[in-house]
Amino acid sequence: GAVVSQHPSRVICKSGTSVKIECRSLDFQATTMFWYRQFPKQSLMLMATSNEGSKATYEQGVEKDKFLINHASLTLSTLTVTSAHPEDSSFYICSARDAGGINEQFFGPGTRLTVL
Amino acid sequence: GDSVTQMEGPVTLSEEAFLTINCTYTATGYPSLFWYVQYPGEGLQLLLKATKADDKGSNKGFEATYRKETTSFHLEKGSVQVSDSAVYFCALSVNQAGTALIFGKGTTLSVSS
Repeated sequence: GAVVSQHPSRVICKSGTSVKIECRSLDFQATTMFWYRQFPKQSLMLMATSNEGSKATYEQGVEKDKFLINHASLTLSTLTVTSAHPEDSSFYICSARDAGGINEQFFGPGTRLTVL
Repeated sequence: GDSVTQMEGPVTLSEEAFLTINCTYTATGYPSLFWYVQYPGEGLQLLLKATKADDKGSNKGFEATYRKETTSFHLEKGSVQVSDSAVYFCALSVNQAGTALIFGKGTTLSVSS
């Protein structure tokens, strides 16, 4: 099946620093990628939809200047958490939709962000 | 708006017990329905899916049938194993390109030997 990778898998940073998370589709092209956030023991909350070559669409309540998303190619999307604070600590998961498929999303393994 | 409701957990079972995790949905149009599984510390894996009414998705002994009349997609397994312990998410996708999945809150399953 299609594989989506995320890097890093785990990151610890100091408050005020910025962290970049990469999401890559390894064996397929993804015109659309999604970024989710998951709090402990809770469901996934969609943060934004990222389309290759265009600006991301953010969900209500998600600060676009804080969570910068770039989808520069059909296989790579990045999420940068700017000026991170402890409340940004969470599990961030990306998914990618196969450009040749419908309604099939493939999820990355997630990135655990801890902000001290 | 579109939404997914699944039973609250945790669900605690003994090995070889029968499992049911209820899931109902609200959606305009004709969504595709999914069950995802998340093992501790990992991302989500697609367990099974159904794209139209009366379809039955199945995988690894798990089954779910798309019931349009009851707007349900309940997950079942006849005999659970300790290795099935995980969080299970019901989700839907409206049949439009570029649409994200809408997830239920997840149900934690714990199976003991």
